[in-house]
Amino acid sequence: SSELTQDPAVSVAVGQTVRITCQGDSLRSYYANWYQQRPGQAPVLVMYTKNNRPSGIPDRFSGSSSGNTASLTITGAQAEDEADYYCNSRDSSGNYVVFGGGTKVTV
Amino acid sequence: QVQLVQSGAEVKKPGASVKVSCKASGYIFTSNGITWVRQAPGQGLEWMGWISAYNGKTNYAQKLQGRVTMTRDTSTSTAYMELRSLRSDDTAIYYCSRDLGDWYDYWGQGTLVTVSS
Repeated sequence: SSELTQDPAVSVAVGQTVRITCQGDSLRSYYANWYQQRPGQAPVLVMYTKNNRPSGIPDRFSGSSSGNTASLTITGAQAEDEADYYCNSRDSSGNYVVFGGGTKVTV
Repeated sequence: QVQLVQSGAEVKKPGASVKVSCKASGYIFTSNGITWVRQAPGQGLEWMGWISAYNGKTNYAQKLQGRVTMTRDTSTSTAYMELRSLRSDDTAIYYCSRDLGDWYDYWGQGTLVTVSS
Protein backbone atom coordinates (compact mmCIF):
# COMPACT_ATOMS: atom_id res chain seq x y z
CA SER A 1 0.00 0.00 0.00
CA SER A 2 1.12 3.53 -0.77
CA GLU A 3 1.95 6.19 1.82
CA LEU A 4 -0.18 8.52 -0.29
CA THR A 5 -3.86 7.63 -0.42
CA GLN A 6 -6.20 8.55 -3.27
CA ASP A 7 -9.83 7.67 -3.88
CA PRO A 8 -9.93 4.98 -6.57
CA ALA A 9 -12.53 6.65 -8.77
CA VAL A 10 -14.68 9.74 -9.14
CA SER A 11 -17.13 10.88 -11.77
CA VAL A 12 -18.12 14.35 -12.91
CA ALA A 13 -20.50 15.78 -15.50
CA VAL A 14 -19.14 17.93 -18.30
CA GLY A 15 -18.80 21.52 -17.11
CA GLN A 16 -18.95 20.63 -13.45
CA THR A 17 -16.19 20.75 -10.84
CA VAL A 18 -14.34 17.78 -9.41
CA ARG A 19 -11.75 17.66 -6.64
CA ILE A 20 -9.24 14.82 -6.42
CA THR A 21 -7.49 14.35 -3.11
CA CYS A 22 -4.21 12.84 -1.97
CA GLN A 23 -3.66 12.12 1.73
CA GLY A 24 -0.48 11.34 3.60
CA ASP A 25 1.49 12.40 6.64
CA SER A 26 4.44 13.47 4.49
CA LEU A 27 2.25 16.14 2.87
CA ARG A 28 2.54 18.15 6.07
CA SER A 29 6.19 18.68 5.10
CA TYR A 30 6.38 18.20 1.33
CA TYR A 31 4.40 19.44 -1.66
CA ALA A 32 2.42 17.13 -3.89
CA ASN A 33 2.69 17.02 -7.65
CA TRP A 34 0.01 15.74 -10.02
CA TYR A 35 0.05 13.73 -13.24
CA GLN A 36 -2.63 12.89 -15.77
CA GLN A 37 -2.42 9.60 -17.61
CA ARG A 38 -4.73 8.71 -20.47
CA PRO A 39 -4.99 5.06 -21.55
CA GLY A 40 -1.95 3.83 -23.41
CA GLN A 41 -0.03 7.06 -22.90
CA ALA A 42 2.81 8.24 -20.70
CA PRO A 43 1.89 10.42 -17.70
CA VAL A 44 1.71 14.19 -18.14
CA LEU A 45 2.60 16.65 -15.40
CA VAL A 46 -0.42 18.89 -14.69
CA MET A 47 0.53 20.52 -11.37
CA TYR A 48 3.72 20.84 -9.37
CA THR A 49 4.66 22.12 -5.93
CA LYS A 50 1.04 22.51 -4.89
CA ASN A 51 -0.28 25.11 -7.36
CA ASN A 52 2.03 25.59 -10.33
CA ARG A 53 0.78 24.66 -13.77
CA PRO A 54 3.26 23.68 -16.50
CA SER A 55 3.01 25.49 -19.79
CA GLY A 56 0.15 24.17 -21.88
CA ILE A 57 -1.99 22.92 -19.00
CA PRO A 58 -5.41 24.64 -19.00
CA ASP A 59 -6.19 26.99 -16.15
CA ARG A 60 -9.23 24.90 -15.20
CA PHE A 61 -6.68 22.78 -13.30
CA SER A 62 -5.69 24.11 -9.89
CA GLY A 63 -3.94 22.74 -6.83
CA SER A 64 -4.17 23.32 -3.11
CA SER A 65 -3.03 21.80 0.14
CA SER A 66 -4.14 21.75 3.77
CA GLY A 67 -2.63 19.70 6.55
CA ASN A 68 -2.04 16.17 5.32
CA THR A 69 -4.19 16.53 2.20
CA ALA A 70 -3.32 17.85 -1.25
CA SER A 71 -6.03 18.46 -3.83
CA LEU A 72 -6.26 18.83 -7.57
CA THR A 73 -9.41 20.59 -8.75
CA ILE A 74 -10.79 20.62 -12.27
CA THR A 75 -13.22 23.51 -12.64
CA GLY A 76 -15.47 23.03 -15.64
CA ALA A 77 -14.40 19.49 -16.52
CA GLN A 78 -14.13 18.58 -20.19
CA ALA A 79 -14.46 15.21 -21.87
CA GLU A 80 -10.71 15.18 -22.57
CA ASP A 81 -10.02 15.34 -18.82
CA GLU A 82 -11.17 11.74 -18.46
CA ALA A 83 -8.03 9.95 -17.30
CA ASP A 84 -6.18 8.51 -14.32
CA TYR A 85 -4.64 11.08 -12.00
CA TYR A 86 -1.68 10.38 -9.72
CA CYS A 87 -0.11 12.44 -6.98
CA ASN A 88 3.50 12.07 -5.86
CA SER A 89 5.63 13.43 -3.07
CA ARG A 90 8.24 12.31 -0.57
CA ASP A 91 7.55 9.44 1.82
CA SER A 92 7.39 9.91 5.59
CA SER A 93 11.17 9.48 5.92
CA GLY A 94 11.81 12.14 3.30
CA ASN A 95 14.38 9.88 1.66
CA TYR A 96 12.28 8.42 -1.13
CA VAL A 97 9.55 9.43 -3.54
CA VAL A 98 6.16 7.76 -3.60
CA PHE A 99 3.10 7.87 -5.83
CA GLY A 100 -0.49 7.68 -4.75
CA GLY A 101 -2.54 4.76 -5.99
CA GLY A 102 -4.28 6.90 -8.60
CA THR A 103 -7.81 8.20 -9.14
CA LYS A 104 -9.79 7.33 -12.25
CA VAL A 105 -11.81 10.38 -13.32
CA THR A 106 -14.82 9.68 -15.51
CA VAL A 107 -16.37 12.64 -17.29
CA GLN B 1 12.16 20.67 -27.80
CA VAL B 2 12.86 18.34 -24.92
CA GLN B 3 12.64 14.66 -25.85
CA LEU B 4 13.35 11.44 -24.02
CA VAL B 5 13.52 8.43 -26.33
CA GLN B 6 13.66 4.98 -24.82
CA SER B 7 14.85 1.67 -26.19
CA GLY B 8 12.45 -0.94 -27.51
CA ALA B 9 10.40 -3.66 -25.88
CA GLU B 10 12.14 -6.61 -24.25
CA VAL B 11 11.14 -10.16 -23.43
CA LYS B 12 13.20 -11.85 -20.74
CA LYS B 13 13.17 -15.12 -18.85
CA PRO B 14 12.95 -15.20 -15.06
CA GLY B 15 16.36 -14.68 -13.50
CA ALA B 16 17.72 -12.69 -16.44
CA SER B 17 18.65 -9.00 -16.55
CA VAL B 18 17.36 -6.14 -18.66
CA LYS B 19 18.93 -2.79 -19.46
CA VAL B 20 16.72 0.04 -20.73
CA SER B 21 18.15 3.20 -22.25
CA CYS B 22 16.77 6.73 -22.31
CA LYS B 23 18.33 9.22 -24.73
CA ALA B 24 17.73 12.87 -23.89
CA SER B 25 17.77 15.80 -26.28
CA GLY B 26 16.66 19.42 -26.38
CA TYR B 27 18.21 20.48 -23.07
CA ILE B 28 21.50 20.37 -21.20
CA PHE B 29 21.54 16.77 -20.00
CA THR B 30 23.69 17.40 -16.94
CA SER B 31 21.37 20.14 -15.64
CA ASN B 32 18.70 17.75 -14.38
CA GLY B 33 18.33 14.28 -12.93
CA ILE B 34 16.53 11.35 -14.49
CA THR B 35 13.89 9.42 -12.57
CA TRP B 36 12.67 5.97 -13.53
CA VAL B 37 9.06 4.95 -12.93
CA ARG B 38 7.37 1.66 -13.78
CA GLN B 39 3.78 0.59 -14.23
CA ALA B 40 2.66 -3.03 -14.06
CA PRO B 41 -0.30 -3.99 -16.27
CA GLY B 42 -3.46 -2.36 -14.97
CA GLN B 43 -1.65 -0.94 -11.96
CA GLY B 44 -0.45 2.44 -10.74
CA LEU B 45 2.85 4.24 -11.03
CA GLU B 46 5.81 3.04 -8.98
CA TRP B 47 8.89 5.17 -8.33
CA MET B 48 12.06 3.16 -8.95
CA GLY B 49 14.79 5.68 -8.33
CA TRP B 50 16.74 8.68 -9.47
CA ILE B 51 20.13 9.45 -10.93
CA SER B 52 21.87 12.79 -11.10
CA ALA B 53 22.97 13.33 -14.68
CA TYR B 54 25.58 15.74 -13.34
CA ASN B 55 27.57 13.47 -11.03
CA GLY B 56 25.93 10.04 -11.25
CA LYS B 57 24.65 10.05 -7.68
CA THR B 58 21.76 7.64 -7.25
CA ASN B 59 18.82 6.99 -4.93
CA TYR B 60 16.94 3.72 -5.34
CA ALA B 61 13.60 2.56 -3.99
CA GLN B 62 14.15 0.32 -1.01
CA LYS B 63 12.31 -2.64 -2.53
CA LEU B 64 14.64 -2.62 -5.55
CA GLN B 65 17.96 -2.01 -3.82
CA GLY B 66 20.42 -4.73 -4.74
CA ARG B 67 18.66 -5.50 -8.04
CA VAL B 68 18.65 -2.14 -9.83
CA THR B 69 21.48 0.00 -11.13
CA MET B 70 21.04 3.38 -12.80
CA THR B 71 23.87 4.90 -14.81
CA ARG B 72 24.36 7.67 -17.32
CA ASP B 73 26.67 8.52 -20.19
CA THR B 74 27.09 12.27 -20.47
CA SER B 75 28.87 11.96 -23.83
CA THR B 76 25.68 10.64 -25.43
CA SER B 77 23.12 12.23 -23.06
CA THR B 78 21.77 8.79 -22.28
CA ALA B 79 20.55 7.31 -19.01
CA TYR B 80 20.32 3.59 -18.34
CA MET B 81 18.35 1.43 -15.94
CA GLU B 82 19.42 -2.18 -15.38
CA LEU B 83 17.24 -4.58 -13.41
CA ARG B 84 18.62 -8.00 -12.48
CA SER B 85 17.17 -11.28 -11.26
CA LEU B 86 13.93 -10.57 -13.09
CA ARG B 87 10.68 -12.04 -11.79
CA SER B 88 7.25 -12.23 -13.35
CA ASP B 89 6.08 -9.30 -11.23
CA ASP B 90 8.73 -7.11 -12.88
CA THR B 91 6.62 -7.24 -16.04
CA ALA B 92 5.75 -3.59 -16.59
CA ILE B 93 6.15 -0.52 -18.72
CA TYR B 94 9.29 1.31 -17.64
CA TYR B 95 9.42 5.09 -18.05
CA CYS B 96 12.27 7.55 -17.73
CA SER B 97 11.48 11.17 -16.93
CA ARG B 98 13.29 14.45 -16.47
CA ASP B 99 13.42 15.26 -12.77
CA LEU B 100 13.11 18.92 -11.74
CA GLY B 101 12.96 18.19 -8.04
CA ASP B 102 10.56 15.32 -7.39
CA TRP B 103 8.32 16.44 -10.24
CA TYR B 104 8.75 15.13 -13.74
CA ASP B 105 7.98 17.38 -16.67
CA TYR B 106 9.00 15.24 -19.65
CA TRP B 107 8.60 11.49 -19.98
CA GLY B 108 9.90 8.89 -22.36
CA GLN B 109 7.46 6.86 -24.42
CA GLY B 110 7.86 3.84 -22.15
CA THR B 111 9.51 0.47 -22.63
CA LEU B 112 7.53 -2.72 -22.11
CA VAL B 113 9.53 -5.38 -20.33
CA THR B 114 7.88 -8.79 -20.26
CA VAL B 115 9.25 -11.49 -17.97
CA SER B 116 8.03 -14.90 -18.96
CA SER B 117 9.38 -18.42 -19.12
